Amino acid sequence: AQSVTQLDSQVPVFEEAPVELRCNYSSSVSVYLFWYVQYPNQGLQLLLKYLSGSTLVKGINGFEAEFNKSQTSFHLRKPSVHISDTAEYFCAVSFYGGATNKLIFGTGTLLAVQP
Amino acid sequence: ETGVTQTPRHLVMGMTNKKSLKCEQHLGHNAMYWYKQSAKKPLELMFVYSLEERVENNSVPSRFSPECPNSSHLFLHLHTLQPEDSALYLCASSQVSPSGEKYFGPGTRLTVT
Repeated sequence: AQSVTQLDSQVPVFEEAPVELRCNYSSSVSVYLFWYVQYPNQGLQLLLKYLSGSTLVKGINGFEAEFNKSQTSFHLRKPSVHISDTAEYFCAVSFYGGATNKLIFGTGTLLAVQP
Repeated sequence: ETGVTQTPRHLVMGMTNKKSLKCEQHLGHNAMYWYKQSAKKPLELMFVYSLEERVENNSVPSRFSPECPNSSHLFLHLHTLQPEDSALYLCASSQVSPSGEKYFGPGTRLTVT
């Protein structure tokens, strides 16, 4: 079975500091990996995705993530965060099962950027 | 309108009411989904429609009834809900493909009193 683990429920960080949000997954089949962001009172927005090719993927708002197959990880990083990055971040894995693709989410990490 | 839209954005209803949530996607996708997001819980996939046919129903109580009249529209009909059904209901769409990334609407914040 496929699963996603986000060990950190909340990550406090000061503005302009670097941040890493951790994501580990478990799967017996090939998966595709995503990070979504949810700002307060909004839906989920795709930050970035790994489908194939280069293991370092860049997304919107200066975020990037690295796919590490041996460690089954897909950690999200940003070298310098802003107050506006305060939001909940969800890691997800997608695989094709049956009639459609399935997307399994982690429990989310709240990034709290402080001035 | 672009992307995925949902109406209403907020809904307060009593346990005996009947209401419907509406979702519309303008992306030409052929699959649509309903998710439930409750505080401190992972997103729960409720229903999946692929090519206008329901292909997944994850043990959702019958007081939730989905409807997909065409590939662009998805409804969630609600009746005799319970207070624990209060949550953010998110609609999403995608192409049916191995990597089909999902695009989400802004959600409907439902409060059951």
